[in-house]
Amino acid sequence: QVQLVESGGGVVQPGRSLRLSCAASGFTFSTYGMHWVRQAPGKGLEWVAVIWYDGDNKYYGDSVKGRFIISRDNSKNMMYLQMNSLTAEDTAVYFCARDYDIFNGYYWLDYWGQGTRVTVSS
Amino acid sequence: SYELTQPPSVSVSPGQTATITCSGDKLGHKYACWYQQKPGQSPVLVIYKDSERPSGIPERFSGSNSGNTATLTISGTQATDEAHYYCQTWDSSLVVFGGGTKLTVL
Repeated sequence: QVQLVESGGGVVQPGRSLRLSCAASGFTFSTYGMHWVRQAPGKGLEWVAVIWYDGDNKYYGDSVKGRFIISRDNSKNMMYLQMNSLTAEDTAVYFCARDYDIFNGYYWLDYWGQGTRVTVSS
Repeated sequence: SYELTQPPSVSVSPGQTATITCSGDKLGHKYACWYQQKPGQSPVLVIYKDSERPSGIPERFSGSNSGNTATLTISGTQATDEAHYYCQTWDSSLVVFGGGTKLTVL
């Protein structure tokens, strides 16, 4: 069965960096687009970034563009989110999620991980 | 940037029909999908491509999308349907979520 497991969250000081990981299993990882989505405490879902199946196309939400970098290693069935210049507004649970059908340009997320919590605080 | 607007809350009695709306400019020209999120859990896709249900999602969940509004309908609402619901679409490869609607079953 499809499984997505995030890791790498924790407490980090403002201005510092953190790298999140998402381990995928139960499907052919190299043929699916993947997303990061975050949820601040008590708030709604906010899309962070997407990476296409081959890693060639990457898109970012306005609030993280220029600070975060999404990447993947298809040989390891892993996706990453490098988060730089973190601020308190980046405090959230970060979910990785699989895209249902990015080949046809459809962006809906059919499987989600349990999330990893990031707290930016001094 | 593209925006989706949902009502913050909707209430429904058990067994009745719940309707949750999602508004965006010419949203009917795009595809919409819906997620259910219960407290402490990850979101679950309940409707995609406006009206398609993933396997395992009960038939009481249905969707439509026309004009500027996408609608999630839950027929015969059960207590277990109490959750937050988020609509989602995309615009120029950027994913957009609505602000979410808290569905209360009382």
